[in-house]
Amino acid sequence: SQTIHQWPATLVQPVGSPLSLECTVEGTSNPNLYWYRQAAGRGLQLLFYSVGIGQISSEVPQNLSASRPQDRQFILSSKKLLLSDSGFYLCAWNRLAGAVEQFFGPGTRLTVL
Amino acid sequence: SQQGEEDPQALSIQEGENATMNCSYKTSINNLQWYRQNSGRGLVHLILIRSNEREKHSGRLRVTLDTSKKSSSLLITASRAADTASYFCATVEYGNKLVFGAGTILRVKS
Repeated sequence: SQTIHQWPATLVQPVGSPLSLECTVEGTSNPNLYWYRQAAGRGLQLLFYSVGIGQISSEVPQNLSASRPQDRQFILSSKKLLLSDSGFYLCAWNRLAGAVEQFFGPGTRLTVL
Repeated sequence: SQQGEEDPQALSIQEGENATMNCSYKTSINNLQWYRQNSGRGLVHLILIRSNEREKHSGRLRVTLDTSKKSSSLLITASRAADTASYFCATVEYGNKLVFGAGTILRVKS
């Protein structure tokens, strides 16, 4: 069976510090991978998606970047965090072909102070 | 961009009652999906309805789709306290990208 992991679960960082959030998927190959951000009480905003190693599409101009160094690893990064980067970050995957359901990780709660 | 808009924003009901949530969207779709999110957790896929389907059931869940009105509804019958969560509809834009609404917060009181 497939599983998706995210870490850390929670993170408190000062403004201006770097960020690295990691997402890994097990039990599947060639997944589409996605990073979302969810502000408190709001829906999900798609930040990045990837259809393969080294292939990243950015949805919203921002202070963040993403990388996919391995088939089942997706990393969200920032060189200098802003207060507005606070939120709940969710990683998700789905199968390569067809518009089918997405499977979400448990999320990372990021607070920038 | 936000494709789906859920209504109501929040819903509070007694255990055993039915809960109905609505979703409206703007563009043509291939399918519409409903997800559930427990507080502070990731989303869980509940049900997918294709554009050529009008109604779909899964356990206590019933989803309808009206493509002429660009709307969908999620009905949870005989609700339980454990159904307390946020519920989101999502539609698919080009490629595999899902566009989520802002969600309905459901509270089921025991």
